This record gives sequence, structure tokens and C-alpha cells, in this order.
Amino acid sequence: DTEVTQTPKHLVMGMTNKKSLKCEQHMGHRAMYWYKQKAKKPPELMFVYSYEKLSINESVPSRFSPECPNSSLLNLHLHALQPEDSALYLCASSYLGGQPQHFGDGTRLSIL
Amino acid sequence: GESVGLHLPTLSVQEGDNSIINCAYSNSASDYFIWYKQESGKGPQFIIDIRSNMDKRQGQRVTVLLNKTVKHLSLQIAATQPGDSAVYFCAEGGGGNKLTFGTGTQLKVEL
Repeated sequence: DTEVTQTPKHLVMGMTNKKSLKCEQHMGHRAMYWYKQKAKKPPELMFVYSYEKLSINESVPSRFSPECPNSSLLNLHLHALQPEDSALYLCASSYLGGQPQHFGDGTRLSIL
Repeated sequence: GESVGLHLPTLSVQEGDNSIINCAYSNSASDYFIWYKQESGKGPQFIIDIRSNMDKRQGQRVTVLLNKTVKHLSLQIAATQPGDSAVYFCAEGGGGNKLTFGTGTQLKVEL
């Protein structure tokens, strides 16, 4: 069991749908992350929140919209996704930089 | 080695042998390095980390070696067990919160 909880575990959506991925941690970490991982590839950083403020956006398309409602929660809002967006979306958290990031088990997203 | 297309570099070892997984990093300014294990259907799991002011760090059955001169990192697993079968990623950090992951190595433990 991981200490970073992601829901849902699986999500299938059409290209016109709107959905949200959720991530929760209760380790007191002040940095939270979204990654995208394709099969047999390493995780690719999408967004970083530090003290609930967006600090890094790795030029992610606007159809992905992150939100950090409080220090324990991180959301990723999805709208008008493309088939190539099908991937495993991983959330992670850490105390700050230079500290281990702890990952959830991800949401497996399929775009029809 | 480098991954090509969908093929991960693979290391096959016999159960009970020691495993050594290698990683070359690219950024001379990186000062934090970390190894993750990822099993099928799971997220990456933290194994061990090391800072640039050290060249060796040991954990339970694992040792990380850092050679800054040649920008090389290795993970040694002692007495490899079937449960060690997974994909292993190294990652480097250069200050701030950003980690850059290597391409990964598939470790297969043969009985």
C-alpha cells in the first residue's frame, strides 16, 4: 500500500468528456506532482505544486488543468483529450526538493 | 544501454546472485540522485537516494554508488530475490523540486 492515494484506478473517457483525477496524501508533504507515463517509458513531469502554488508547468497542453485545493489534495482536470493522452497518470509528493518523491499507483487513462 | 522504441534494457540474474544496475546521468549540476523500483501495475517505489557530497550509501540489501567524474550511478542489490523483479529507474535532481528520470532497466530474476 502506498501513502499517496489516487482515484480512480482506471478511467475510460471519450474525447468530448470532462473528468478529474484525484490525489491525496497525509504525510505533511508540501510539494505535489503530476507525471505522465507511457508503457515501457520513464515518468515525465507535467506539473509541480509547492506550498499549494503552481511552480512548474512543463509546457503541458491546456486540456490538462491542475488544481491544488489544499496541502493534502491535488486534482487534474481533463477536457477534450486526444487518443495520444492515453497513459498512466502518476501523482507524487515530497517534503521539498532534494527529498524522495513518493508515488501513488496511478490512474490508467484510456481515451476512446 | 539505451532503450530503443518499446524495448527496455534487460538484466537477467540468477536468484541469490548480486545484481548491478547502471545509470548514466547528463547534468553535471545535479546534486541529488535517487533509485526507484516499479512493479507491473504499480507506481514507482523509492529504494535509496544519495547526494553529490557522497560516493556510496547503503541500505537494506542495496548499495548506491555515485561517480561524479564520469557521471555514473549504480544500484547494487545483494542476494537478488524473485520479488526484486521489476523495472528500475534512476533519477537526478539539480535543486528545486524537479527530477529527471533515466530510461529504466528491466530486472528479471531467474529461479
